Amino acid sequence: GQNIDQPTEMTATEGAIVQINCTYQTSGFNGLFWYQQHAGEAPTFLSYNVLDGLEEKGRFSSFLSRSKGYSYLLLKELQMKDSASYLCAFLMDSNYQLIWGAGTKLIIKP
Amino acid sequence: DVKVTQSSRYLVKRTGEKVFLECVQDMDHENMFWYRQDPGLGLRLIYFSYDVKMKEKGDIPEGYSVSREKKERFSLILESASTNQTSMYLCASSNRGGGNGYTFGSGTRLTVV
Repeated sequence: GQNIDQPTEMTATEGAIVQINCTYQTSGFNGLFWYQQHAGEAPTFLSYNVLDGLEEKGRFSSFLSRSKGYSYLLLKELQMKDSASYLCAFLMDSNYQLIWGAGTKLIIKP
Repeated sequence: DVKVTQSSRYLVKRTGEKVFLECVQDMDHENMFWYRQDPGLGLRLIYFSYDVKMKEKGDIPEGYSVSREKKERFSLILESASTNQTSMYLCASSNRGGGNGYTFGSGTRLTVV
């Protein structure tokens, strides 16, 4: 079977750095996505990692280790608008569906 | 600008009513999905479709049906709405391999009273 796990909630301070971890177990894997979802809105795409390593995109970076079944999303120079839920999801190679984590609610304090 | 459009942002229906939620995408995507999202439960897949006229049950199909008569349109039907179907409903689409991720509609907040 497949499983994906991420923390339920995290708190960080404006201007700081936060790392949101995601672990997964699956027999077939084709890449890992991170999405951002503000309250009451739809998820929007942040990043996609297929190969091991770090992908940097402005203030946001995403890391993947396929051998460890582990990914993280790193947010730097936190802003109040970064308060949102962050969802990780892996793409199954058998049917090309995304399997979603329950999301991490990130609370930014001044 | 590519987009997935859901017909209603907010909807209030009575128990027992038949409810139609419409979703249209303009990206020529093969795959379309219907999810519901409830606090603490994350995204739960109701139904999906990989092609016109084709549909597959997701994790929680009970009480729902779908229709995909055209490639761009995927409809979710609540045959007889119940209060436990009060939720946020999200439609998404993707290309066949899924490598570009899913694009979501803005969601429909359905309240059944």
